[in-house]
Amino acid sequence: SQTIHQWPATLVQPVGSPLSLECTVEGTSNPNLYWYRQAAGRGLQLLFYSVGIGQISSEVPQNLSASRPQDRQFILSSKKLLLSDSGFYLCAWSPDRGIGNQPQHFGDGTRLSIL
Amino acid sequence: QKEVEQDPGPLSVPEGAIVSLNCTYSNSAFQYFMWYRQYSRKGPELLMYTYSSGNKEDGRFTAQVDKSSKYISLFIRDSQPSDSATYLCAMSEPSSNTGKLIFGQGTTLQVKP
Repeated sequence: SQTIHQWPATLVQPVGSPLSLECTVEGTSNPNLYWYRQAAGRGLQLLFYSVGIGQISSEVPQNLSASRPQDRQFILSSKKLLLSDSGFYLCAWSPDRGIGNQPQHFGDGTRLSIL
Repeated sequence: QKEVEQDPGPLSVPEGAIVSLNCTYSNSAFQYFMWYRQYSRKGPELLMYTYSSGNKEDGRFTAQVDKSSKYISLFIRDSQPSDSATYLCAMSEPSSNTGKLIFGQGTTLQVKP
């Protein structure tokens, strides 16, 4: 069966510090991968998605970037964190077939607090 | 107007009640519909996935889709305190080349013992 791992679960960072959040998927090949941010009462905002190694698409311009160095690894980064980057970050995957009609499966997220 | 509208609640019901959660949408191209359950400080968990009008049942959960009215529902029978969570609807277009899901805001449900 497929599993998705995200770490760390909780992170407290000072303003201006760098960020690296990692997500890995097991039990599947060539998954589609997604990064979301969930703010309280505002639903899920899609940040980035990837359909293959090195292929990253950004949904919103912001202080963050994403990379996919391996098939089942997705990394969310920032060079300098802003207060507005606080939130709950979720990684998700979907199978590589019939893209557009597959449900996504989520990790347990990273709660990021910026001080 | 948002593409997907969902009443954020909170919705509070006694144990054993039938719960009805709803979403409306504006994009008639949406063909795939999902319901997720999210416990506090956890990621969303897929509950139901359907792509046709009508009902789909899984245990105490029934998903209903009415494409003519652009309205979807999730019914929970014999609700339990363990059903207390936020419920998110999501939908997508078959022509999407990104697999992008459009989410509702989520409805917070509390089932009181």
